[in-house]
Amino acid sequence: GQQLNQSPQSMFIQEGEDVSMNCTSSSIFNTWLWYKQDPGEGPVLLIALYKAGELTSNGRLTAQFGITRKDSFLNISASIPSDVGIYFCAGQEAAGNKLTFGGGTRVLVKP
Amino acid sequence: DTAVSQTPKYLVTQMGNDKSIKCEQNLGHDTMYWYKQDSKKFLKIMFSYNNKELIINETVPNRFSPKSPDKAHLNLHINSLELGDSAVYFCASSRERPGNTIYFGEGSWLTVV
Repeated sequence: GQQLNQSPQSMFIQEGEDVSMNCTSSSIFNTWLWYKQDPGEGPVLLIALYKAGELTSNGRLTAQFGITRKDSFLNISASIPSDVGIYFCAGQEAAGNKLTFGGGTRVLVKP
Repeated sequence: DTAVSQTPKYLVTQMGNDKSIKCEQNLGHDTMYWYKQDSKKFLKIMFSYNNKELIINETVPNRFSPKSPDKAHLNLHINSLELGDSAVYFCASSRERPGNTIYFGEGSWLTVV
C-alpha cells in the first residue's frame, strides 16, 4: 500500500538545538498531520495542516504543508529533553478519513 | 477523562487462543478505527467504521473481526492467534468529515507466545 517516506529515521538532539524532519509522498494529500508518540502511549496530534503552502506553529513546533501537496516538514526549535520520542507524519486523502503514516523519526538525547 | 479508551492495555496469550480488545470513545465521534503498530513502530490502518458500518478493511486476515455495537464502541476480536499477531493495537476516532483530526487511544500491547 501507499507509504510516506519520512526522514531522518532517527536523530540525536542536544538541549537547545533546532531539529528538522520531513515527509515525502508520491501521492497528493489533502491534509498533513504530525503526531508524537511517547513510550507506552498512543500518538498525540501536534499540528494539522489543511492547505498547500500553509505554515503553522504550535509553541516551539512549526510545520509546513508543501506547495505540491506531496510533502511536509516539522521543525522543533530550542529542543528540550521532553522532546524525546517518535514523531510521525501522516497524510490524509480527500476521500475518507484514512491516515497513511510515515515510518517515524526517533528523537533521542545525545549521550 | 480519557477520550479514547481501550482495554486491556497488556495482553499475553498463547498461540491458537481467541482474544478481544475493547474500545470506547466519549468524544461523540462518528468514525472509529483500528490501527496496528509493528515492532518497527510502523503504523498501519486495519479497519474503519462510520456509524457502525464498515468503511475500510485493509486486507486484514479473516481471523480479525471488528464489531461495533454502537458508534461509541469498536471492539476487535482475533481468532486463532498467531505469533505474528504480536503488536500494539491502537483504537482511534474522529468526526465523519474527511480532514477531521483523528484521536488515538493509548494502545493495547498484544504478545502471542
